[in-house]
Parts: sequence; C-alpha cells; structure tokens
Amino acid sequence: DTGVSQNPRHKITKRGQNVTFRCDPISEHNRLYWYRQTLGQGPEFLTYFQNEAQLEKSRLLSDRFSAERPKGSFSTLEIQRTEQGDSAMYLCALLPQDPELFFGEGSRLTVL
Amino acid sequence: AQKITQTQPGMFVQEKEAVTLDCTYDTSDPSYGLFWYKQPSSGEMIFLIYQGSYDQQNATEGRYSLNFQKARKSANLVISASQLGDSAMYFCAMREGGYSSASKIIFGSGTRLSIRP
Repeated sequence: DTGVSQNPRHKITKRGQNVTFRCDPISEHNRLYWYRQTLGQGPEFLTYFQNEAQLEKSRLLSDRFSAERPKGSFSTLEIQRTEQGDSAMYLCALLPQDPELFFGEGSRLTVL
Repeated sequence: AQKITQTQPGMFVQEKEAVTLDCTYDTSDPSYGLFWYKQPSSGEMIFLIYQGSYDQQNATEGRYSLNFQKARKSANLVISASQLGDSAMYFCAMREGGYSSASKIIFGSGTRLSIRP
C-alpha cells in the first residue's frame, strides 16, 4: 500500500498564528517530501527526508518553516508566525518505488 | 543549479489529435531523471512517465511518450490520440542523480491542456 494521509485537510488561521501539518504514510517508506503548491503553479520543493534524516531544505524557505520526521515514519511541517503569503496547498509525497512519487491529498492553508 | 522550464501556460487541442507539451531543463549533473505528472481538476497528482539521462531509448507508457533530446536539454511529453479525460495540468519534473538517487525532485510551472470535443 502506497497511501499517505495528510491532516488537517483544511486549516484557516489568522496571520501571526502557528500551524502544524502532519503526514502519515500508511506503510513504511524511507523517502518523504514536502511541497507547497499555489493555484495554477507547480509544486514547490520545501524539504526532503530519508528515514529520519532531513537531507535538504529549500533555500527559499524562511526560518519560520520547520519539518521533522522523528522516527522515520510520520512527518510534521510547522509554520510559525503565519503570513498571508503562506496560503497554499501543502503536499506530502512518498517515493515507495522509484521513480514514481506518490502524493497525498494535501493540506490547504488559508491565512486571514 | 537545476531548473525546469515549461513555456506553454495553456493549450487547446481537438479530441483524437496528438499533442506535444514542451519542457526544457538545466543541470550540470550528467546523471539525472525527468518525470511528467498530470494533475486533473480533482487535484491529485498522477505519475505518467520517467526518463533517465542514460536511457538509450525514449520512454513510452501507453499513449504517453517522452521525446528526450539531450543535446537540446528538452524532454517533451507527447500524448497520442488525445481524449477528453486528458484535460488537466501537466507538470515536468527533474531529479539530479541517477535512478534511486537520494536528491530533491523539482517541478516546472505546468501547462494547462484542454481537449475540445
């Protein structure tokens, strides 16, 4: 099974608040990616894990963004002091069998 | 730095015609992989096809084929006999390093394909 569950599916928050998104692979997969996608644009790479190790983080990402994968299974993406420009769909993706990247349904963030 | 460029924001094609979606890339790594994904209005991302930089032949998957021109750094997607269900956003993507390489995958800005009945 290559499914991935993301929660919450939709988060509405006020500017300045912190938000956390969670990605739960249904089964164990060593590679996990986070992307951000705005309407009409392609997924923008945020960060990437191999097991619990965060191998790369986008230089476009400010220090307000942090991601963890403590046990190499689920992952969390936290955004501190949210800004209106953070409004987007946040996508988690797994690479269970190279080269096919499987995406979750995403967590939509709306910052008011 | 690696870069993916899709220069066609939108395309309209008559049903049953073939369509080519353009993708150019830039990388200094001699080993890399190229991907195409489809995103219908439902929002899911669907993997279509993969081409490795050292693959001798162009990749094909059913009605999809990848026209890989290494010298031009292009990896165009060709859809033969288009169907109404092909209407979607299409994204080209790239990863530096070879098959199973542990590196990031970056995406282009996409092309919106609309199939006319």
